[in-house]
Amino acid sequence: GAVVSQHPSRVICKSGTSVKIECRSLDFQATTMFWYRQFPKQSLMLMATSNEGSKATYEQGVEKDKFLINHASLTLSTLTVTSAHPEDSSFYICSALGELFSRITDTQYFGPGTRLTVL
Amino acid sequence: DQQVKQNSPSLSVQEGRISILNCDYTNSMFDYFLWYKKYPAEGPTFLISISSIKDKNEDGRFTVFLNKSAKHLSLHIVPSQPGDSAVYFCAASAGGTYKYIFGTGTRLKVLA
Repeated sequence: GAVVSQHPSRVICKSGTSVKIECRSLDFQATTMFWYRQFPKQSLMLMATSNEGSKATYEQGVEKDKFLINHASLTLSTLTVTSAHPEDSSFYICSALGELFSRITDTQYFGPGTRLTVL
Repeated sequence: DQQVKQNSPSLSVQEGRISILNCDYTNSMFDYFLWYKKYPAEGPTFLISISSIKDKNEDGRFTVFLNKSAKHLSLHIVPSQPGDSAVYFCAASAGGTYKYIFGTGTRLKVLA
């Protein structure tokens, strides 16, 4: 199956700092990537959808100025949490959708997630 | 408003028996449904999907049943194995989009 990586897997930062999380599709070109957030014992909540070369589409209630998404290439999307606060502590997961070995994938392939803790 | 619901937060099953995980949805526009398995500190892994034009899809030990009139789907795992112990999420999408709405998950524990 398709492989999606995320870096870092875990990050601890001080309140007020910014944190960048990378999501890479390793064996396919991802035309679309998704960013989710999961709080303990809750569902994965879609934050935004990003398409390569265009602006991300944010879900209702997600601040686009706080969660900056860049999808500059077909294999890399980044999520930057700006001016992080303790309430931003969560598990952030990306997924990718795209063309795999000339076959269009019809499911999202998820990265392993990034645990963000803001002190 | 939780459009996709998994009302059982946990389930324990003996090894070799059948595991049945349930999922209900409220949005009648959903036409594609998926099940994902998730281990701790990992991202979800795709298991099986079903389109609304079908009522059953089978892949090895995994079978998904869809009851559109009841807005209900279920995942059957038989026989259950200890390695199946994980959190299972159902997800739904509508209109050919890839925007998935996830349920809250059911933690399955298969006892050896």
